[in-house]
Amino acid sequence: EVQLLESGGGLVQPGGSLRLSCAASGFTFSSYAMSWVRQAPGKGLEWVSAISGSGGSTYYADSVKGRFTISRDNSKNTLYLQMNSLRAEDTAVYYCAKDPGLTRELPSNTFDYWGQGTLVTVSS
Amino acid sequence: QSALTQPASVSGSPGQSITISCTGTSSDVGSYNLVSWYQQHPGKAPKLMIYEVSKRPSGVSNRFSGSKSGNTASLTISGLQAEDEADYYCCSYAGSSTFDVVFGGGTKLTVL
Repeated sequence: EVQLLESGGGLVQPGGSLRLSCAASGFTFSSYAMSWVRQAPGKGLEWVSAISGSGGSTYYADSVKGRFTISRDNSKNTLYLQMNSLRAEDTAVYYCAKDPGLTRELPSNTFDYWGQGTLVTVSS
Repeated sequence: QSALTQPASVSGSPGQSITISCTGTSSDVGSYNLVSWYQQHPGKAPKLMIYEVSKRPSGVSNRFSGSKSGNTASLTISGLQAEDEADYYCCSYAGSSTFDVVFGGGTKLTVL
Protein backbone atom coordinates (compact mmCIF):
# COMPACT_ATOMS: atom_id res chain seq x y z
CA GLU A 1 0.00 0.00 0.00
CA VAL A 2 1.38 3.38 -1.01
CA GLN A 3 1.77 5.77 1.89
CA LEU A 4 3.06 9.34 1.96
CA LEU A 5 3.55 11.02 5.31
CA GLU A 6 4.48 14.70 5.45
CA SER A 7 6.06 16.39 8.45
CA GLY A 8 7.88 19.58 9.35
CA GLY A 9 5.10 22.12 9.13
CA GLY A 10 4.51 24.75 11.75
CA LEU A 11 4.46 28.44 12.57
CA VAL A 12 7.34 30.53 11.23
CA GLN A 13 7.95 34.26 11.05
CA PRO A 14 8.13 36.11 7.72
CA GLY A 15 11.62 35.77 6.29
CA GLY A 16 12.18 32.52 8.15
CA SER A 17 12.92 29.02 6.92
CA LEU A 18 11.35 25.60 7.25
CA ARG A 19 12.10 22.16 5.85
CA LEU A 20 9.28 19.78 5.00
CA SER A 21 9.75 16.04 4.71
CA CYS A 22 7.64 13.37 3.06
CA ALA A 23 8.33 9.76 4.00
CA ALA A 24 7.25 7.34 1.29
CA SER A 25 6.53 3.63 1.48
CA GLY A 26 4.80 0.90 -0.51
CA PHE A 27 6.51 1.55 -3.86
CA THR A 28 9.97 1.79 -5.41
CA PHE A 29 10.55 5.41 -4.48
CA SER A 30 13.48 6.09 -6.82
CA SER A 31 11.45 5.09 -9.87
CA TYR A 32 8.90 7.86 -9.57
CA ALA A 33 8.88 11.62 -9.84
CA MET A 34 7.40 13.48 -6.89
CA SER A 35 5.82 16.88 -6.43
CA TRP A 36 4.78 19.33 -3.76
CA VAL A 37 1.34 20.90 -4.13
CA ARG A 38 -0.02 23.47 -1.69
CA GLN A 39 -3.43 24.79 -0.73
CA ALA A 40 -3.88 28.09 1.06
CA PRO A 41 -6.71 28.15 3.62
CA GLY A 42 -10.05 28.12 1.81
CA LYS A 43 -8.34 28.32 -1.58
CA GLY A 44 -7.52 26.04 -4.49
CA LEU A 45 -4.58 23.82 -5.29
CA GLU A 46 -1.26 25.24 -6.49
CA TRP A 47 1.61 23.18 -7.86
CA VAL A 48 4.85 24.18 -6.15
CA SER A 49 7.71 21.98 -7.29
CA ALA A 50 8.60 18.64 -8.87
CA ILE A 51 11.63 16.37 -8.97
CA SER A 52 12.53 13.45 -11.20
CA GLY A 53 12.99 9.98 -9.76
CA SER A 54 16.75 10.20 -9.80
CA GLY A 55 16.70 13.71 -8.36
CA GLY A 56 18.64 15.01 -11.33
CA SER A 57 15.90 17.30 -12.60
CA THR A 58 14.00 19.81 -10.52
CA TYR A 59 11.24 22.27 -11.41
CA TYR A 60 9.59 25.17 -9.60
CA ALA A 61 6.57 27.42 -9.87
CA ASP A 62 7.51 31.05 -10.48
CA SER A 63 6.01 31.97 -7.10
CA VAL A 64 8.68 29.99 -5.21
CA LYS A 65 11.63 29.96 -7.62
CA GLY A 66 14.81 31.07 -5.89
CA ARG A 67 13.32 30.59 -2.39
CA PHE A 68 12.35 26.91 -2.27
CA THR A 69 14.50 23.86 -3.00
CA ILE A 70 13.15 20.39 -3.63
CA SER A 71 15.34 17.36 -3.06
CA ARG A 72 15.08 13.66 -2.32
CA ASP A 73 17.09 10.95 -0.60
CA ASN A 74 16.28 7.73 -2.39
CA SER A 75 18.20 5.70 0.19
CA LYS A 76 15.78 6.97 2.84
CA ASN A 77 12.66 7.03 0.63
CA THR A 78 12.15 10.65 1.62
CA LEU A 79 11.23 13.81 -0.28
CA TYR A 80 12.12 17.25 1.04
CA LEU A 81 11.15 20.86 0.50
CA GLN A 82 13.49 23.50 1.90
CA MET A 83 11.60 26.77 2.18
CA ASN A 84 13.53 29.99 2.72
CA SER A 85 12.53 33.66 2.81
CA LEU A 86 9.01 32.66 3.69
CA ARG A 87 6.17 35.09 3.10
CA ALA A 88 2.64 35.34 4.46
CA GLU A 89 1.34 34.15 1.09
CA ASP A 90 3.21 30.87 1.53
CA THR A 91 0.78 29.95 4.30
CA ALA A 92 -0.88 26.73 3.17
CA VAL A 93 -1.26 23.02 3.63
CA TYR A 94 1.60 21.41 1.73
CA TYR A 95 0.95 18.02 0.14
CA CYS A 96 3.52 15.69 -1.31
CA ALA A 97 2.21 13.80 -4.32
CA LYS A 98 3.46 10.82 -6.28
CA ASP A 99 3.63 10.71 -10.07
CA PRO A 100 2.28 7.48 -11.64
CA GLY A 101 5.29 7.12 -13.91
CA LEU A 102 3.51 7.67 -17.21
CA THR A 103 6.64 9.44 -18.46
CA ARG A 104 9.02 7.07 -16.72
CA GLU A 105 10.91 8.88 -13.94
CA LEU A 106 10.09 12.38 -15.23
CA PRO A 107 7.29 14.41 -13.63
CA SER A 108 3.87 15.03 -15.15
CA ASN A 109 0.68 16.76 -14.07
CA THR A 110 -0.82 13.51 -12.85
CA PHE A 111 -0.63 12.76 -9.14
CA ASP A 112 -1.93 9.32 -8.21
CA TYR A 113 -1.22 9.35 -4.48
CA TRP A 114 -1.20 12.22 -2.01
CA GLY A 115 -0.11 12.59 1.58
CA GLN A 116 -2.40 13.99 4.25
CA GLY A 117 -0.63 17.36 4.16
CA THR A 118 1.27 19.49 6.63
CA LEU A 119 0.26 23.03 7.55
CA VAL A 120 2.75 25.86 7.20
CA THR A 121 1.77 29.18 8.75
CA VAL A 122 3.88 32.26 8.08
CA SER A 123 3.01 34.98 10.54
CA SER A 124 4.61 37.32 13.04
CA GLN B 1 0.80 30.74 -15.95
CA SER B 2 -2.71 31.82 -14.95
CA ALA B 3 -5.03 29.39 -13.25
CA LEU B 4 -7.48 27.47 -15.40
CA THR B 5 -11.08 28.74 -15.24
CA GLN B 6 -13.74 26.59 -13.60
CA PRO B 7 -17.26 27.50 -12.45
CA ALA B 8 -17.30 28.20 -8.74
CA SER B 9 -20.20 25.85 -8.15
CA VAL B 10 -22.48 23.35 -9.84
CA SER B 11 -25.34 21.33 -8.44
CA GLY B 12 -27.52 18.41 -9.37
CA SER B 13 -30.00 15.96 -7.93
CA PRO B 14 -29.23 12.32 -7.22
CA GLY B 15 -29.27 10.28 -10.41
CA GLN B 16 -28.73 13.27 -12.67
CA SER B 17 -25.62 14.10 -14.69
CA ILE B 18 -23.51 17.21 -14.35
CA THR B 19 -20.57 18.60 -16.28
CA ILE B 20 -17.80 20.78 -14.94
CA SER B 21 -15.86 22.83 -17.46
CA CYS B 22 -12.22 23.83 -17.29
CA THR B 23 -11.07 26.54 -19.67
CA GLY B 24 -7.44 27.22 -20.39
CA THR B 25 -5.49 28.55 -23.31
CA SER B 26 -3.62 27.31 -26.34
CA SER B 27 -0.53 27.17 -24.11
CA ASP B 28 -1.91 24.59 -21.73
CA VAL B 29 -5.22 22.72 -22.17
CA GLY B 30 -5.29 23.36 -25.90
CA SER B 31 -1.76 22.15 -26.55
CA TYR B 32 -1.56 18.90 -24.62
CA ASN B 33 -3.76 15.91 -23.91
CA LEU B 34 -2.54 16.17 -20.34
CA VAL B 35 -5.54 17.22 -18.29
CA SER B 36 -6.23 15.57 -14.97
CA TRP B 37 -9.10 15.95 -12.52
CA TYR B 38 -9.06 15.67 -8.72
CA GLN B 39 -11.84 15.24 -6.17
CA GLN B 40 -11.38 16.69 -2.71
CA HIS B 41 -13.68 16.19 0.24
CA PRO B 42 -13.47 18.69 3.12
CA GLY B 43 -10.36 18.22 5.21
CA LYS B 44 -9.07 15.44 2.98
CA ALA B 45 -6.30 15.10 0.42
CA PRO B 46 -7.21 15.32 -3.27
CA LYS B 47 -7.95 12.09 -5.14
CA LEU B 48 -7.13 11.46 -8.80
CA MET B 49 -10.30 10.86 -10.83
CA ILE B 50 -9.24 11.36 -14.46
CA TYR B 51 -5.84 11.66 -16.16
CA GLU B 52 -4.69 12.34 -19.72
CA VAL B 53 -8.08 13.94 -20.48
CA SER B 54 -10.25 10.83 -20.35
CA LYS B 55 -8.48 7.94 -18.64
CA ARG B 56 -9.80 6.60 -15.35
CA PRO B 57 -7.46 5.16 -12.71
CA SER B 58 -8.23 1.73 -11.38
CA GLY B 59 -10.91 1.93 -8.72
CA VAL B 60 -12.59 5.11 -9.95
CA SER B 61 -16.23 4.65 -10.87
CA ASN B 62 -17.13 4.67 -14.57
CA ARG B 63 -19.69 7.33 -13.69
CA PHE B 64 -16.79 9.76 -14.03
CA SER B 65 -15.65 10.67 -17.52
CA GLY B 66 -13.47 13.33 -19.09
CA SER B 67 -13.21 15.01 -22.46
CA LYS B 68 -11.62 17.96 -24.18
CA SER B 69 -12.44 20.30 -27.03
CA GLY B 70 -10.03 23.03 -27.99
CA ASN B 71 -8.97 24.95 -24.90
CA THR B 72 -11.74 23.55 -22.69
CA ALA B 73 -11.73 20.27 -20.79
CA SER B 74 -14.78 18.80 -19.11
CA LEU B 75 -15.54 16.37 -16.31
CA THR B 76 -18.92 14.65 -16.44
CA ILE B 77 -20.40 12.77 -13.51
CA SER B 78 -23.40 10.63 -14.33
CA GLY B 79 -25.84 9.06 -11.89
CA LEU B 80 -25.00 11.61 -9.19
CA GLN B 81 -24.66 10.18 -5.70
CA ALA B 82 -24.52 11.95 -2.35
CA GLU B 83 -20.86 10.98 -1.90
CA ASP B 84 -19.94 12.86 -5.08
CA GLU B 85 -20.47 16.13 -3.22
CA ALA B 86 -16.97 17.59 -3.06
CA ASP B 87 -14.63 20.11 -4.65
CA TYR B 88 -13.26 19.25 -8.07
CA TYR B 89 -10.05 20.60 -9.59
CA CYS B 90 -8.78 20.35 -13.12
CA CYS B 91 -5.08 20.40 -13.85
CA SER B 92 -3.09 20.81 -17.05
CA TYR B 93 0.49 20.54 -18.14
CA ALA B 94 1.54 24.05 -19.13
CA GLY B 95 5.20 23.81 -19.94
CA SER B 96 6.63 25.13 -23.15
CA SER B 97 10.27 25.91 -22.47
CA THR B 98 10.21 24.28 -19.04
CA PHE B 99 8.05 22.02 -16.93
CA ASP B 100 4.98 23.75 -15.51
CA VAL B 101 1.64 22.67 -14.11
CA VAL B 102 -1.49 24.75 -13.62
CA PHE B 103 -4.64 23.99 -11.63
CA GLY B 104 -8.12 25.34 -12.00
CA GLY B 105 -9.67 27.37 -9.21
CA GLY B 106 -11.95 24.51 -8.20
CA THR B 107 -15.66 23.79 -8.45
CA LYS B 108 -17.90 22.98 -5.51
CA LEU B 109 -20.35 20.24 -6.45
CA THR B 110 -23.53 20.16 -4.39
CA VAL B 111 -25.82 17.14 -4.59
CA LEU B 112 -29.30 18.47 -3.83
